Amino acid sequence: DVKVTQSSRYLVKRTGEKVFLECVQDMDHENMFWYRQDPGLGLRLIYFSYDVKMKEKGDIPEGYSVSREKKERFSLILESASTNQTSMYLCASSFPAGSQGYGYTFGSGTRLTVV
Amino acid sequence: AQRVTQPEKLLSVFKGAPVELKCNYSYSGSPELFWYVQYSRQRLQLLLRHISRESIKGFTADLNKGETSFHLKKPFAQEEDSAMYYCALSPRTSGGSNYKLTFGKGTLLTVNP
Repeated sequence: DVKVTQSSRYLVKRTGEKVFLECVQDMDHENMFWYRQDPGLGLRLIYFSYDVKMKEKGDIPEGYSVSREKKERFSLILESASTNQTSMYLCASSFPAGSQGYGYTFGSGTRLTVV
Repeated sequence: AQRVTQPEKLLSVFKGAPVELKCNYSYSGSPELFWYVQYSRQRLQLLLRHISRESIKGFTADLNKGETSFHLKKPFAQEEDSAMYYCALSPRTSGGSNYKLTFGKGTLLTVNP
């Protein structure tokens, strides 16, 4: 019944490494999102995409990039990981706003630790 | 720009007591409001959306445009309601950057036995 799958549940990386977080959805959703979730800060949007090869910056895009080559897959890239990027990363997907089934479906999250 | 405020980080009630999780928003247009819930060790999931006018797990929420609020209520809390609750807002338009939800910082609800 899993519909949004994040490739790793836990990840430990070293400072300066390039990190790839993968997300795949099987609901044919147009929109996909990457958030980070931190205690006391809630969910903060990093990047989102409303179509293949399209991307828009969210509220905290610095230090991140994304790739969406296929509709079902949305990758988050940390170009050079830093300790302040230690966090829980959540992927989500949705139909377009205003559609009857609108609402996010979330993945189970990737807890990234940068040492 | 839109904003969602959940004034309580923590809320603790006893089983059987009424519970109200507050959510206030600021947005110049006509928004669509949601409540999401995250139980321990589970993924974040949609609880309800105001446009559906439905009651899920005994929870209801009414959009009050005058007070710009969307408080979540349940008359009798259960221990299994203990979770993190997020209020979220979407502009009710289509196209480009208007697709994204803006979330509040969340309220951790604990229902004590």
